[in-house]
Amino acid sequence: SAVISQKPSRDICQRGTSLTIQCQVDSQVTMMFWYRQQPGQSLTLIATANQGSEATYESGFVIDKFPISRPNLTFSTLTVSNMSPEDSSIYLCSGTWDYGYTFGSGTRLTVV
Amino acid sequence: AQSVAQPEDQVNVAEGNPLTVKCTYSVSGNPYLFWYVQYPNRGLQFLLKYITGDNLVKGSYGFEAEFNKSQTSFHLKKPSALVSDSALYFCAVRDWSTDKLIFGTGTRLQVFP
Repeated sequence: SAVISQKPSRDICQRGTSLTIQCQVDSQVTMMFWYRQQPGQSLTLIATANQGSEATYESGFVIDKFPISRPNLTFSTLTVSNMSPEDSSIYLCSGTWDYGYTFGSGTRLTVV
Repeated sequence: AQSVAQPEDQVNVAEGNPLTVKCTYSVSGNPYLFWYVQYPNRGLQFLLKYITGDNLVKGSYGFEAEFNKSQTSFHLKKPSALVSDSALYFCAVRDWSTDKLIFGTGTRLQVFP
């Protein structure tokens, strides 16, 4: 199964700044996804990262706030832009191949 | 649209007793169902999945799940709970048209010594 390396694992950021989260997969995956999770709660899908084209965003999430890149089959980034305290959360990436799904270890973001 | 429901926010069980974490699903077509576990400050770890075949699926750490089509359920079970099983458990279903995973609300399992 694929293994995803996600970084940073945590960060504390000032409001108004941006943070880019990276995910590197050790083998090719067909699809990559980005989720947000409040501690102790369920995962909410932000977007599907499409290779070489614009990401597909879920309702309530927009590209200006969460720009996503996926330049190849094994790498993707999520940027949280113009951060506010409401963006404090855990962000996870995921990859799928055949019928398997794997997840990065998550990025715990605190905005102060 | 595909969805899963986890009716219990928390399940408490004594160590050594059997445990069940419930999940029901609603899908159009054949369901692809998953269970994940999340320990504090950790990412999601895969436990098991049902794609097709035997209704009893065996997974990691001694967990198993029973797929029941008539009851549209996919309950997670373990014959003898360990304190170290205490964690947050998520049921998920694959969306056929987009391949994304749709998660339930999660169930916190607390195993008492």
